[in-house]
Amino acid sequence: EVQLVEAGGGLVQPGESLRLSCAVSGFTFSSFWMNWVRQAPGKGLEWVADIRPDGGETSYVDSVKGRFTISRDNAKNSLYLQMNSLRAEDAAVYYCAREKLDGGTFDFWGQGTLVTVSS
Amino acid sequence: DIVMTQSPASLAVSLGERATINCKSSQSVLYNSNNKNFLSWYQQKPGQPPKLLIYWASTRESGVPDRFSGSGSGTDFTLTISNLQAEDVAVYYCHQYYNTPFFTFGPGTKVDIK
Repeated sequence: EVQLVEAGGGLVQPGESLRLSCAVSGFTFSSFWMNWVRQAPGKGLEWVADIRPDGGETSYVDSVKGRFTISRDNAKNSLYLQMNSLRAEDAAVYYCAREKLDGGTFDFWGQGTLVTVSS
Repeated sequence: DIVMTQSPASLAVSLGERATINCKSSQSVLYNSNNKNFLSWYQQKPGQPPKLLIYWASTRESGVPDRFSGSGSGTDFTLTISNLQAEDVAVYYCHQYYNTPFFTFGPGTKVDIK
């Protein structure tokens, strides 16, 4: 059974950092592109970042470029999102999501971890 | 970026009736070399992550009931829920993955029971 379990969310002040993790099981992690997608409270979905199966290529939405870093450890079946210089507008539930092998849509999602940014 | 719009923002449908949700992209998401539309649909229930329903605009994901169907091409797409069930109450999002990796989603359509 495919499982993705996020952790690391919490309450931080503006300007602080947080590192999210996503532990996966039930599939060959090293074969899949992986993504972070976020959802602000009561709002829609926003793609944040993705990473190639070998970790050699990453992309980000403009609003987080230079502040967030996506990474992965294929030996540990884990995906990460390092978030620095957090802003109020970064507050959201952060989901890790797997891309389908045969197309760029997302076939499995974790339950999400909540990030709150407030002073 | 490709901007996705959806209509209506919300709708209420009687049990057993049909719900129709429209999605429009600001540019075509049809990839001519393979004639595939890079468009998917998700269902999200409160407190849950999105669930993939449809991809390639009309291919149903494994395990998704056949009352869910997708259609359309280019810039205009439709998700149809036939014979609406109580468990279909949710927010539905369209999603383009043509402009990889700069994926974008529609704003969502909330479906309720009338």
